[in-house]
Amino acid sequence: DIQMTQSPSTLCASVGDRVTITCRASQNINSWLAWYQQKPGKAPKLLIYKASTLASGVPSTFTGSESGTEFTLTISSLQPDDVATYYCQQYNSYPWTFGQGAKVEVK
Amino acid sequence: EVQLVESGGGLIQPGVSLRLSCAASGLTVRDDYWAWVRQPPGKGLEWVSVLYISGLTFYADSVKGRFTISRDDSKNTLYLQMNSLTTDDTAVYYCAKHRYGVGMEYWGQGTLVSVSS
Repeated sequence: DIQMTQSPSTLCASVGDRVTITCRASQNINSWLAWYQQKPGKAPKLLIYKASTLASGVPSTFTGSESGTEFTLTISSLQPDDVATYYCQQYNSYPWTFGQGAKVEVK
Repeated sequence: EVQLVESGGGLIQPGVSLRLSCAASGLTVRDDYWAWVRQPPGKGLEWVSVLYISGLTFYADSVKGRFTISRDDSKNTLYLQMNSLTTDDTAVYYCAKHRYGVGMEYWGQGTLVSVSS
């Protein structure tokens, strides 16, 4: 199985800060990586797919990038509405696997 | 507007079976790929199963042989039949429409399955 390791597990930043979450795959996943945002008590929401393509309706403050087996989600200017847990997920091969999540809080 | 509405969850005893439903509107279940994802209370997301348009299915090792994903085209509904449930299966179960090459782009609101004696 492909392991997805996210870091940090929790981060706290100020409104307007640039925030970066990293996800490392245990092997090559051919860019088949998605990022999801989950707010408390809600279903996950697709933010980015194919490592760097923004899903429909997602603000451009979110960007995804990749370097080999390391993937990054960046929020360019943190807003109060961005408080959530963010998950990466590989869909290159079965079983699909998620990272453990990164909780983002606002100071 | 796409809507996915799960139902069928509840509090049940170990060893019992349960069938979850996911009623779709705004799209046609037979024309898409479908997945079930679960989330134990206070924990992260875990992929459970996927159903291809062709009918091909895949399962997580933790549920293989116990869970079955299926769809009823006439009812435009996705199902997850869960047998021999254990306390480890306690979770909120989400159905999701998977677009090939994109990911799970639409999700239901989730239904809680609680397995306890």
